[in-house]
Amino acid sequence: EAQVTQNPRYLITVTGKKLTVTCSQNMNHEYMSWYRQDPGLGLRQIYYSMNVEVTDKGDVPEGYKVSRKEKRNFPLILESPSPNQTSLYFCASSLSGTGDYGYTFGSGTRLTVV
Amino acid sequence: GQNIDQPTEMTATEGAIVQINCTYQTSGFNGLFWYQQHAGEAPTFLSYNVLDGLEEKGRFSSFLSRSKGYSYLLLKELQMKDSASYLCASMDSNYQLIWGAGTKLIIKP
Repeated sequence: EAQVTQNPRYLITVTGKKLTVTCSQNMNHEYMSWYRQDPGLGLRQIYYSMNVEVTDKGDVPEGYKVSRKEKRNFPLILESPSPNQTSLYFCASSLSGTGDYGYTFGSGTRLTVV
Repeated sequence: GQNIDQPTEMTATEGAIVQINCTYQTSGFNGLFWYQQHAGEAPTFLSYNVLDGLEEKGRFSSFLSRSKGYSYLLLKELQMKDSASYLCASMDSNYQLIWGAGTKLIIKP
């Protein structure tokens, strides 16, 4: 089944403890992206990647890191999480970044930082 | 600045028709997307418009007017399972998506 797989689905952590949210897609998509979604706000892009070894900042990159060493994986790293990073996170992928193929989203990761 | 506006919430009756409007202002334009998102779940792709006009896909249709910076999503023969948030997103000249906050659609029997 073609899908984007995110793990974990739920995570509660403490301030300052490094964490990684994994994202993997099995559709051979070139483009991958991370978003956060907060109540009353639209999806906000954190980082995106047009291809392997190519990553760029989105609208809200502060406090996050990413890597794209293989086409299928695009992990999101929070080196020192803070409570303002409590949010619902989505990974998405697309055949290309040009939009006409649509984006496939992962199931989401609900992160709580205390 | 870049901005997407859509109503926060709408209510409609099962079996009826509802139109969800979206206006956008982005730096350049490479298409307009609609996504459906049930509470706590991932957004799922509904439609993509890059040319003016109406595109019909079963019970759902999407319309675009580039000169007016305006789109709407039309849902016919509403079913209870259509209760969800509907997200409008415009793709700018850098192929980045600018998202609206979403319209929560409540369907009543």
